Amino acid sequence: DIQMTQSPSTLSASVGDRVTITCRASQSISSWLAWYQQKPGKAPKLLIYKASSLESGVPSRFSGSGSGTEFTLTISSLQPDDFATYYCQQYNSYSLTFGGGTKVEIK
Amino acid sequence: QVQLVQSGAEVKKPGSSVKVSCKASGGTFSSYAISWVRQAPGQGLEWMGGIIPIFGTANYAQKFQGRVTITTDESTSTAYMELSSLRSEDTAVYYCARGMRWLQSPDAFDIWGQGTMVTVSS
Repeated sequence: DIQMTQSPSTLSASVGDRVTITCRASQSISSWLAWYQQKPGKAPKLLIYKASSLESGVPSRFSGSGSGTEFTLTISSLQPDDFATYYCQQYNSYSLTFGGGTKVEIK
Repeated sequence: QVQLVQSGAEVKKPGSSVKVSCKASGGTFSSYAISWVRQAPGQGLEWMGGIIPIFGTANYAQKFQGRVTITTDESTSTAYMELSSLRSEDTAVYYCARGMRWLQSPDAFDIWGQGTMVTVSS
């Protein structure tokens, strides 16, 4: 299975900060990477697919980049609603695998 | 607007089985992949397996091979996940999720069910 490694596992930031989360794949996954946001007690929500495509309805402050084995999720200006846990997921091949998550906390 | 509505919470004894349902409404069911993803308390997301209803063949994560069965009933637009030989480590929220692209799998998930809590306890 392809291993997905996210960093950092926890991130403390303030409203208005620029935030970057990294996801590394153990082998090339081309651009078959998605990013999700999850809030406590809720299902994950798709933010980004195919590494850099913004899901409909997702604010433009979210962006994704990368290909191959290195990917980033950037929040250009952190808003109060963005404090949550973020997961990457590869869908290049079975088994589908998720990163371990990055919790974005209030500083 | 497609919605996935899952069955309610379950409490099971170790060694027993659980079957969770996921009913789709508001859109096409048969041509989009449905996967099951679980999340143990305080832990991350774990893909268990998936199926494209019109094709009928499921793919499973190695970890769950032999213990999980994913099926669909196209007449009611419902997917099912059955997990057997339950142990305490299977205590988790189980989500169904729909793939984004028509007839494509593996895929990213744009629609999720609300989750079903399964508790395994003696």
